[in-house]
Amino acid sequence: QLQLQESGPGLVKPSETLSLSCSISGASITSSPYYWAWIRQPPGKGLEWIGSVYYTGSTDYNPSLKSRVAISLDTSKKQFSLRLSSVAAADTALYYCARAVRQFYPGGFDPWGQGTLVTVSS
Amino acid sequence: QSALTQPASVSGSPGQSITISCTGSSSDVGGYDYVSWYQQHPGKAPKLMIYDVNSRPSGVSNRFSGSKSGNTASLTISGLQAEDEADYYCSSYTGSSTLVFGGGTNLTVL
Repeated sequence: QLQLQESGPGLVKPSETLSLSCSISGASITSSPYYWAWIRQPPGKGLEWIGSVYYTGSTDYNPSLKSRVAISLDTSKKQFSLRLSSVAAADTALYYCARAVRQFYPGGFDPWGQGTLVTVSS
Repeated sequence: QSALTQPASVSGSPGQSITISCTGSSSDVGGYDYVSWYQQHPGKAPKLMIYDVNSRPSGVSNRFSGSKSGNTASLTISGLQAEDEADYYCSSYTGSSTLVFGGGTNLTVL
């Protein structure tokens, strides 16, 4: 059964770079044509798609974050990563990683990780 | 890209049916059958309830159904139960190879 687990610092200073990893168990990240995504949720607010990476390594990003975000696959570590640069208080959120529910599908995501809270503060 | 439009809240009594709307544009909801719906209980990760407009993942109750007409997608929950009380979010693939979520709808079971 596929399981995802986010990890990374819970506190990041303003203007620095947020780095998170999503560890995958129960599946290969590159052997099947799935999309893998990062999605965030500020406290008390709604969901925001950050970006997705295809099993080939190609990426798509939210236009509002595109200049600051990078998502990559790390096949050797069975994980994929998120880097968000020049963070500000508005980037404080619960960050989730997820996989598309079916192959070749950029839409719905299932399963999700449990999420990791990142606070941006000095 | 603009967020999809959902009502902030809906409510219904046990056993009733409710519908949550999700309005976008021809560039997202109206242009692709890649609409999904998520249920989120407090403190929990979102759970996929519907994808491809009207497909249910295995294990999701058939009380949940999805549809689309033009630029508006809808989630219908029939036979409302107390456990359905949660936040619901729609999402759609867009013509720019991106994804957009709705603002979320809080469902109250009276």
